[in-house]
Amino acid sequence: QQQVKQSPQSLIVQKGGISIINCAYENTAFDYFPWYQQFPGKGPALLIAIRPDVSEKKEGRFTISFNKSAKQFSLHIMDSQPGDSATYFCAVTSSGSARQLTFGSGTQLTVLP
Amino acid sequence: GAVVSQHPSRVICKSGTSVKIECRSLDFQATTMFWYRQFPKQSLMLMATSNEGSKATYEQGVEKDKFLINHASLTLSTLTVTSAHPEDSSFYICSAATGAKLFFGSGTQLSVL
Repeated sequence: QQQVKQSPQSLIVQKGGISIINCAYENTAFDYFPWYQQFPGKGPALLIAIRPDVSEKKEGRFTISFNKSAKQFSLHIMDSQPGDSATYFCAVTSSGSARQLTFGSGTQLTVLP
Repeated sequence: GAVVSQHPSRVICKSGTSVKIECRSLDFQATTMFWYRQFPKQSLMLMATSNEGSKATYEQGVEKDKFLINHASLTLSTLTVTSAHPEDSSFYICSAATGAKLFFGSGTQLSVL
């Protein structure tokens, strides 16, 4: 059973546009929702994360929107740049799991110049 | 931010040989580290949870005798792929938690000929 569903699988955006990636989860015990950025041949890097007590978190051009009732969260990349082209993974975990993450399937983002 | 160092970044070996991958937390102590496996264009799959001073916890379907994990200190965990075969070729990534955040190593690309 897939604990977190991520969409879309791939996304192409023009430079300056907004990139939106969505994730949905089932287990209400999850209490930490990070997003990771991964470039080819590299490990994932933490981009931004949110806890369920807030509905939105913004860091620079990156924003997480969180809908607890719908069990969904999304990543918004404002003013997308070609350097943002990478694979993005959402993840879920619970505080009682020592940060054992379950990852979404990933979204390949391409930002056209 | 916290740094997790993984070595080697790339290794090519002959079928039947063993390969050791090291994961170090450089500026923090990690009682728990995680090992993931990633196939091309796929998500990260948790293989095992490495606990300092005790046996690793393996995910279902992961052979503990094939993927030996040792967490000898608070800053070092090793993954040894024993008697490697071509189907073990993959990208292996370690991670370690500090506080609420999880940081990843840069990954090891294993190619078994």
